[in-house]
Amino acid sequence: GNSVTQMEGPVTLSEEAFLTINCTYTATGYPSLFWYVQYPGEGLQLLLKATKADDKGSNKGFEATYRKETTSFHLEKGSVQVSDSAVYFCALSDQGGGSNYKLTFGKGTLLTVNP
Amino acid sequence: SQTIHQWPATLVQPVGSPLSLECTVEGTSNPNLYWYRQAAGRGLQLLFYSVGIGQISSEVPQNLSASRPQDRQFILSSKKLLLSDSGFYLCAWSGPGILELGELFFGEGSRLTVL
Repeated sequence: GNSVTQMEGPVTLSEEAFLTINCTYTATGYPSLFWYVQYPGEGLQLLLKATKADDKGSNKGFEATYRKETTSFHLEKGSVQVSDSAVYFCALSDQGGGSNYKLTFGKGTLLTVNP
Repeated sequence: SQTIHQWPATLVQPVGSPLSLECTVEGTSNPNLYWYRQAAGRGLQLLFYSVGIGQISSEVPQNLSASRPQDRQFILSSKKLLLSDSGFYLCAWSGPGILELGELFFGEGSRLTVL
């Protein structure tokens, strides 16, 4: 079956620090990969996505590269801000792997950025 | 533009009482609809999804049920709540068809506490 494993949190950084949140996946078909973000008290929203190997998704200074050889999709940002404090979820959809209508999410990583 | 509403936002219920959470989507037709539960330390768990009126797929056997009486309405119910049903419930929608591009649009969530 499909699964997503992301690094355990919480992650606490100072403003302007470099961020990496690791994500690896297992899929039986041809996955597309996503990062969602959940700000305090809100629902999730899509942050970025990549639909095939070697694609790089980017948004709001965040980046992630779809690495098929290492089955990874690590999230990075060069300089975090206090407003980036949130829970980050890695997810996949697996066309042809029995998951045409749903996403599989990781457990989420809480990021806290201090001023 | 499309919007999603779910209610109530907060609910405190005694063990054994019934539950009804409602979700409606506006501005789109024939969406895929989803119920997720977010419990502390357990990430995001897909409970039900629906690709059309009256069509419900259940992901996790439990004492919850879902119904889709209208195209843009999705209801989560229980006849008798358990303590373990406490959590943050999120409704989401996506465009019709397979989830190739993976974008789900989430509501703001309903926090359920069972005492």
